[in-house]
Amino acid sequence: DVKVTQSSRYLVKRTGEKVFLECVQDMDHENMFWYRQDPGLGLRLIYFSYDVKMKEKGDIPEGYSVSREKKERFSLILESASTNQTSMYLCASSRPAGSQANYGYTFGSGTRLTVV
Amino acid sequence: AQSVTQPDIHITVSEGASLELRCNYSYGATPYLFWYVQSPGQGLQLLLKYFSGDTLVQGIKGFEAEFKRSQSSFNLRKPSVHWSDAAEYFCAVGRMNRDDKIIFGKGTRLHILP
Repeated sequence: DVKVTQSSRYLVKRTGEKVFLECVQDMDHENMFWYRQDPGLGLRLIYFSYDVKMKEKGDIPEGYSVSREKKERFSLILESASTNQTSMYLCASSRPAGSQANYGYTFGSGTRLTVV
Repeated sequence: AQSVTQPDIHITVSEGASLELRCNYSYGATPYLFWYVQSPGQGLQLLLKYFSGDTLVQGIKGFEAEFKRSQSSFNLRKPSVHWSDAAEYFCAVGRMNRDDKIIFGKGTRLHILP
């Protein structure tokens, strides 16, 4: 079964800590995405990547960075965690939209991050 | 601008009753359309998708959706809901160009009465 794996289901971190959220996919997908999900706000795109070492800002990149050194792995980094970054973080991957029949996101199970 | 609207934040139906979740989109051309479901504490799972062709699309778990171009809608339906269908449902729209991002609606939470 194809999979997107997020390394942690739950994390508790202190304000000011540097936090790494890891995402690995085994589908050889070109595209990878990081979202945060908050009640009433839906899914908001933080960063995405079309290829290794490529990254593009989404709608809410402030306070975050990403790394994609290998095709299968896309890491989200909170440089200095703050309480307003407490959220559910979802990773997704996909083939390019031009692949049509195979297009569509596959999501990980999410990481619920609490910053105290 | 591209957008997706799910007008109902919460919907409650009785087990065994029929269901329709509404989705309207704004886009300048025929988009790719999706419905995802999220169970509590989980990621999103793809229910069904529409790219072209037959406007009535069948998905997993007995769900179907109908694309109506004239109404810019892609409503999700199920003839008889089960308690296990209680979840949050997201409609989404994608594009055919190099920008492969999918835009999600804010979701509709479905509650099932026994």
